[in-house]
Amino acid sequence: AQSVTQLGSHVSVSEGALVLLRCNYSSSVPPYLFWYVQYPNQGLQLLLKYTSAATLVKGINGFEAEFKKSETSFHLTKPSAHMSDAAEYFCAVSSNAGGTSYGKLTFGQGTILTVHP
Amino acid sequence: ETGVTQSPTHLIKTRGQQVTLRCSSQSGHNTVSWYQQALGQGPQFIFQYYREEENGRGNFPPRFSGLQFPNYSSELNVNALELDDSALYLCATKAGGLTDTQYFGPGTRLTVL
Repeated sequence: AQSVTQLGSHVSVSEGALVLLRCNYSSSVPPYLFWYVQYPNQGLQLLLKYTSAATLVKGINGFEAEFKKSETSFHLTKPSAHMSDAAEYFCAVSSNAGGTSYGKLTFGQGTILTVHP
Repeated sequence: ETGVTQSPTHLIKTRGQQVTLRCSSQSGHNTVSWYQQALGQGPQFIFQYYREEENGRGNFPPRFSGLQFPNYSSELNVNALELDDSALYLCATKAGGLTDTQYFGPGTRLTVL
C-alpha cells in the first residue's frame, strides 16, 4: 500500500519569499514521486517527477524537490514566490508494484498556496 | 494545454440517473486513467485502461465502469447516481511506460441533485 501526507492544507507567503510545501510518502516498494499544480477550474499540470535518478529534481516555473529516502520526504521548494504561483499543489506517489496498483497515482490532500503582494 | 480533452465541461443529474463522461487521448497515448476529485480533496484513482483492457481499479463500486476505444479515447459510465458522486472527474493519459508522465484533462464537473 502507498500513501501521501501533505503537511499544511494552506500555506501563505509574501511575494519574493521562499516557498516550501511538505510531502511525506509511504510505500512498500521504491516509489516514483510527483508534484502537480492545479489552478482554479482546471486539470492538473505536472511540475516535476522523481523516478530514481538524481535525488534533486528540477521542474518548471523554478520549482524543485529533493527526494530523501531516510525521511520518506519529497518537499517542494521555490526560492522566490511569484503572484502567479498561487494555486493548489498536490504530491503523488506511484510504484512498480504489480496487479491492480500498476501505474496508479495516489495523491495527497493538497496544499493551497497563497501569495501576498 | 495537454492535448487531453474531456466532455462535457459541466453536468447536472439527479439521484438514480446514469451518466457518461468522455475523454480524448493525447496522440500516441495508449493508457488512460480516471480519477474522482471531491471538493477539497485530492484525486482518487477509479480505474485504468491499457489498449482497451482494464488493468487497474481503485476502491469504487461496480456501478463505475469504463471503456477504451481503438483510438484510445475513453468513457466513464456511472449508474444509479448518488449525491456523493458529485465531484470533478479527471482523465489522464500517458504513453504506457510506468514512469511516463500522466497528462490530465481539464475535468468534468458533475453535480448530483
